[in-house]
Amino acid sequence: AQSVTQLDSQVPVFEEAPVELRCNYSSSVSVYLFWYVQYPNQGLQLLLKYLSGSTLVKGINGFEAEFNKSQTSFHLRKPSVHISDTAEYFCAVSDHSGNTPLVFGKGTRLSVIA
Amino acid sequence: DTAVSQTPKYLVTQMGNDKSIKCEQNLGHDTMYWYKQDSKKFLKIMFSYNNKELIINETVPNRFSPKSPDKAHLNLHINSLELGDSAVYFCASRYATGELFFGEGSRLTVL
Repeated sequence: AQSVTQLDSQVPVFEEAPVELRCNYSSSVSVYLFWYVQYPNQGLQLLLKYLSGSTLVKGINGFEAEFNKSQTSFHLRKPSVHISDTAEYFCAVSDHSGNTPLVFGKGTRLSVIA
Repeated sequence: DTAVSQTPKYLVTQMGNDKSIKCEQNLGHDTMYWYKQDSKKFLKIMFSYNNKELIINETVPNRFSPKSPDKAHLNLHINSLELGDSAVYFCASRYATGELFFGEGSRLTVL
């Protein structure tokens, strides 16, 4: 079984500053990794995904994440945040079988301050 | 054209009532899910269906009954609603490489 730990429940950051949201996972098998964003009163939207290949993946809205197998991490980064990035961010993991659902972390609330 | 659509978006009802939430996806995916998101934003898997067959049923009270008339639809029926059922319920469908496409959510409030 897989599990995900998002180390920070809330991250406040000033506008135009860089941000990193941390995610660590646990699994005995190879995994797929995902980051989702949830804006207020909306569903979850896929930001980016790691399936295989290059460990640095780029997503929408200027976000990127780096897969680090030795540290079992998949941290999300953005070099300069905007007010509109204020949202809840979820890291998720699944195995390669296609039979198990995504397991989500508890989420990190990113608050961008003007 | 909405990929995963849920209705209703908001549902307010009294304890003890029965209610249903409908979900439809037009992505051609075989696997669909129901997730529950509580007030702390935690997402918990409830059910998973693959091509109309139930494949995952987490520890959910049997007052919750999913139904899949075809692989594009996965509905959720809840009997004898309780205060603790208040949450946002998300339907999702799964792409081959594992990512999920979510509906907008159905916010259920039980009074």
